[in-house]
Amino acid sequence: GAVVSQHPSWVICKSGTSVKIECRSLDFQATTMFWYRQFPKQSLMLMATSNEGSKATYEQGVEKDKFLINHASLTLSTLTVTSAHPEDSSFYICSAKLPLAGGPQETQYFGPGTRLLVL
Amino acid sequence: GQNIDQPTEMTATEGAIVQINCTYQTSGFNGLFWYQQHAGEAPTFLSYNVLDGLEEKGRFSSFLSRSKGYSYLLLKELQMKDSASYLCAVMNSNYQLIWGAGTKLIIKP
Repeated sequence: GAVVSQHPSWVICKSGTSVKIECRSLDFQATTMFWYRQFPKQSLMLMATSNEGSKATYEQGVEKDKFLINHASLTLSTLTVTSAHPEDSSFYICSAKLPLAGGPQETQYFGPGTRLLVL
Repeated sequence: GQNIDQPTEMTATEGAIVQINCTYQTSGFNGLFWYQQHAGEAPTFLSYNVLDGLEEKGRFSSFLSRSKGYSYLLLKELQMKDSASYLCAVMNSNYQLIWGAGTKLIIKP
């Protein structure tokens, strides 16, 4: 079953408005979550690493003042797209680290994603 | 730099076998992952290899050769529902996942 949820799954908004996307880990605590963006027919692009109780680490080229990340609890990280514009329209996906069963390593489990359309 | 290479697109026939290759160059290695992503959906975890050799999981198998920086995902008895993109990702020495661009697999009847 799903271990990471995202809300909302679809957002349509007007240019200039802000949109908040929630990512929740279900039945486990996630000290680290990741936010990705994916444009049509392109690969995942890591935007930022969200760490519970501290500031997010942004990848090069990602504006931290435009994409606000808050990881206030061990089960919730939020991404707020501020003053959204049509070029921000994309598929936003979060993931959380979870240990692999039977091994010491971890992998990332993804939420179902949020489609954002900015008009 | 770090990079992951995999073919952009492959086509196979229902019931057949297909092998999707992945080569990588990363700063350190802590495992290689394969994910499946259906159109319009988020990726789902398929397999993990950290030691050389073949890991089999039902119709899917994944192989790793660390000395060659090479992996493949083998899909047997292909079904139409296997049509998806397959993403190869390597965890480097900083425990960051480096992602390939994905291979779009098209299954024909």
